Amino acid sequence: GQQVMQIPQYQHVQEGEDFTTYCNSSTTLSNIQWYKQRPGGHPVFLIQLVKSGEVKKQKRLTFQFGEAKKNSSLHITATQTTDVGTYFCAPRTSGTYKYIFGTGTRLKVLA
Amino acid sequence: DVKVTQSSRYLVKRTGEKVFLECVQDMDHENMFWYRQDPGLGLRLIYFSYDVKMKEKGDIPEGYSVSREKKERFSLILESASTNQTSMYLCASSSLAGGSYNEQFFGPGTRLTVL
Repeated sequence: GQQVMQIPQYQHVQEGEDFTTYCNSSTTLSNIQWYKQRPGGHPVFLIQLVKSGEVKKQKRLTFQFGEAKKNSSLHITATQTTDVGTYFCAPRTSGTYKYIFGTGTRLKVLA
Repeated sequence: DVKVTQSSRYLVKRTGEKVFLECVQDMDHENMFWYRQDPGLGLRLIYFSYDVKMKEKGDIPEGYSVSREKKERFSLILESASTNQTSMYLCASSSLAGGSYNEQFFGPGTRLTVL
């Protein structure tokens, strides 16, 4: 079955530093979603990537979908304390309704 | 404003009890999901429903059942609660608008403790 690996599991950064989390799948994906979960909160949708090689930006966040559609990344430029939380990737393979959530990357930003 | 609500934020039950977790969405979404979230394991799909009275097993359905009698309501049932079902339970919904699987909207979660 499909396996999703998200790395790193934890990341502590100083405020102003950059941060990247990676999501790798063992199978070719149809699309991938990214979610953010603040401490004590529930996951909130950030973005969906569909096309091979796609790059999307949301202010300081840059999302990429690999050319082979087997991996994705989320990069945050100049982190702020409001970026604290756990970031999940949720890829989906074609022919299935299921999004398999990664284990998440927990980001801590030190002021 | 989009809303998914869950019947309880915190629940404490005893081993062997029958437990009902309720989820209601007000967005007229076709799809509804139940996940459980455990530290280090991320979110794991228990069951999915794509229409009233329709359901599909997710990755970890053992020990759980679901009911969807109305479009807006999706219930998760633990027939006989066990301590290994202590977890955070998250409900989500999504639409099929445009023929694709869109973003999932999550409820606040129910933290269930089974003693």
